[in-house]
Amino acid sequence: KQEVTQIPAALSVPEGENLVLNCSFTDSAIYNLQWFRQDPGKGLTSLLLIQSSQREQTSGRLNASLDKSSGRSTLYIAASQPGDSATYLCAALSAGAGSYQLTFGKGTKLSVIP
Amino acid sequence: GAVVSQHPSRVICKSGTSVKIECRSLDFQATTMFWYRQFPKQSLMLMATSNEGSKATYEQGVEKDKFLINHASLTLSTLTVTSAHPEDSSFYICSASFSNTEAFFGQGTRLTVV
Repeated sequence: KQEVTQIPAALSVPEGENLVLNCSFTDSAIYNLQWFRQDPGKGLTSLLLIQSSQREQTSGRLNASLDKSSGRSTLYIAASQPGDSATYLCAALSAGAGSYQLTFGKGTKLSVIP
Repeated sequence: GAVVSQHPSRVICKSGTSVKIECRSLDFQATTMFWYRQFPKQSLMLMATSNEGSKATYEQGVEKDKFLINHASLTLSTLTVTSAHPEDSSFYICSASFSNTEAFFGQGTRLTVV
């Protein structure tokens, strides 16, 4: 059974700093890994999707990497802004019972201080 | 990205009544839909996976008679919380995907049972 762990659970940084969020998964047989953002009381916003054959994806100030063999992914946020404050979730898509299963980590709550 | 519409966004119901939540993929055919619930300060927990035209697969500990899932078409899945109780109050999110590609999420439904 796939398990996804995110470290740290919470992170507070001053505005302008670069930061890294970590995600690890136990079963390396994944189809893809996604990073999401969740604002309080809101749904999920997909940030980046990395297919199992890819090593990284970039979107603006965000860069996500994937090392399938070691079961790790990182989300790098450059020049953080107060608007980046949210909970960031990673999720691994793998084979489930007769279908696919998306397994989430518990998230990292990011606070960017002005 | 593709759009998944979830309705309603908020619902308050009396204990003992049933509530139906709809999840629609607006611009693609969703072969698989996932239903999650999220308790405060916790990660999303998969409740069930449904494939169009077949019965949903429920995760361990999720009562299939209480959480009725119907995936009648490639663009619509519904979750009905039957005989709701206050402990069913939670944030419910659906996601839809085509094959093993990116999962797209609805904006979630905040259910409050009074």
